[in-house]
Amino acid sequence: DQQVKQNSPSLSVQEGRISILNCDYTNSMFDYFLWYKKYPAEGPTFLISISSIKDKNEDGRFTVFLNKSAKHLSLHIVPSQPGDSAVYFCAEYGAGGSNYKLTFGKGTLLTVNP
Amino acid sequence: EAQVTQNPRYLITVTGKKLTVTCSQNMNHEYMSWYRQDPGLGLRQIYYSMNVEVTDKGDVPEGYKVSRKEKRNFPLILESPSPNQTSLYFCASSLISGTGIYEQFFGPGTRLTVL
Repeated sequence: DQQVKQNSPSLSVQEGRISILNCDYTNSMFDYFLWYKKYPAEGPTFLISISSIKDKNEDGRFTVFLNKSAKHLSLHIVPSQPGDSAVYFCAEYGAGGSNYKLTFGKGTLLTVNP
Repeated sequence: EAQVTQNPRYLITVTGKKLTVTCSQNMNHEYMSWYRQDPGLGLRQIYYSMNVEVTDKGDVPEGYKVSRKEKRNFPLILESPSPNQTSLYFCASSLISGTGIYEQFFGPGTRLTVL
């Protein structure tokens, strides 16, 4: 059973608007959540993270929100730029008592149109 | 420059011919890991290692072997590759904290095709 779900395979937004990428998880034991960005022909790069003891973390244009009661994670990008077009993966570690095993969602392809 | 390197970047091989994909990092990271990326399936962890001579299975370890004889290197071995191992492979590394791992640095990927 998939423990980290990104239900939207793709998202398209206009430049300057907000992009909201969503992620749901099933296991309340998850301790730490991360977002990675991936361009074609490159490895994923770390974007932003959040601990389960927080509900928000902000870094420049990127903000991650964590709603533990809903087991929901979201990444907000404001304002969106064409260079943000990439696949975004949410990931977690802490499931099953292992803080050393990272589990990724399937990814969401974000396209920011000029 | 801090980086994770993988070799080869592209490989086409035939079923049953043993191959090794190398991974090396220059950041003195304790933790290293291998992932495969497949369309519609995202990134799935194959094996990980928390230090020299310490390795453990990820979600999809079948058909793969790893070794960690040196801190900087973590090769992925396919003893008898099969077509279902055709995929894009990523190596990653990170430091280890008291409660888990820090953000992972990924290599550029190895595109493997098994005919």
